[in-house]
Amino acid sequence: DTAVSQTPKYLVTQMGNDKSIKCEQNLGHDTMYWYKQDSKKFLKIMFSYNNKELIINETVPNRFSPKSPDKAHLNLHINSLELGDSAVYFCASSRTSETQYFGPGTRLLVL
Amino acid sequence: DAKTTQPTSMDCAEGRAANLPCNHSTISGNEYVYWYRQIHSQGPQYIIHGLKNNETNEMASLIITEDRKSSTLILPHATLRDTAVYYCIVRVAEYGNKLVFGAGTILRVKS
Repeated sequence: DTAVSQTPKYLVTQMGNDKSIKCEQNLGHDTMYWYKQDSKKFLKIMFSYNNKELIINETVPNRFSPKSPDKAHLNLHINSLELGDSAVYFCASSRTSETQYFGPGTRLLVL
Repeated sequence: DAKTTQPTSMDCAEGRAANLPCNHSTISGNEYVYWYRQIHSQGPQYIIHGLKNNETNEMASLIITEDRKSSTLILPHATLRDTAVYYCIVRVAEYGNKLVFGAGTILRVKS
């Protein structure tokens, strides 16, 4: 009965590679988010999608591209990975303007 | 969104009530007060939210002052599993609005 799930849980990769993180929610929500938590532990919004439409893009490098194939999924593709991309990435979902519920996180380490 | 101020850390004895304060002196009339917590290495967990009135659920109580410039999250009987970073966030409940996380309060529950 997982609400918001993310895969993979851990991702270790080399600089310059391209990788994707997947997020799925079974709550019937129409809005999904990606947040990034860096080494200093601050959580910051990256993107938000509502009904597959991008509504928030918080000055994130073009190397990051979210894709929402349907309302239940929001994937994050990252091109040309850099050392500074190492962080924990959290997916969240909500019913439009209501409370957001978070996934368990994907720990990305770029070597 | 208005900014919040929270103590950096607090200690609480197991079984006692944990009272976590939050100042939000610039809160607007349409901004809600949300509380989330993040237990080590997990995704942020929603606890409770309110606008004007005090709120209670199975996890906690939220006391909001009459002028709405501050609030207190109360965990009535803290357990060791309540050790976490607690975030107080104010946000307008509108279409796709993001959560802006501060540094939060590190609550340590001790036996």
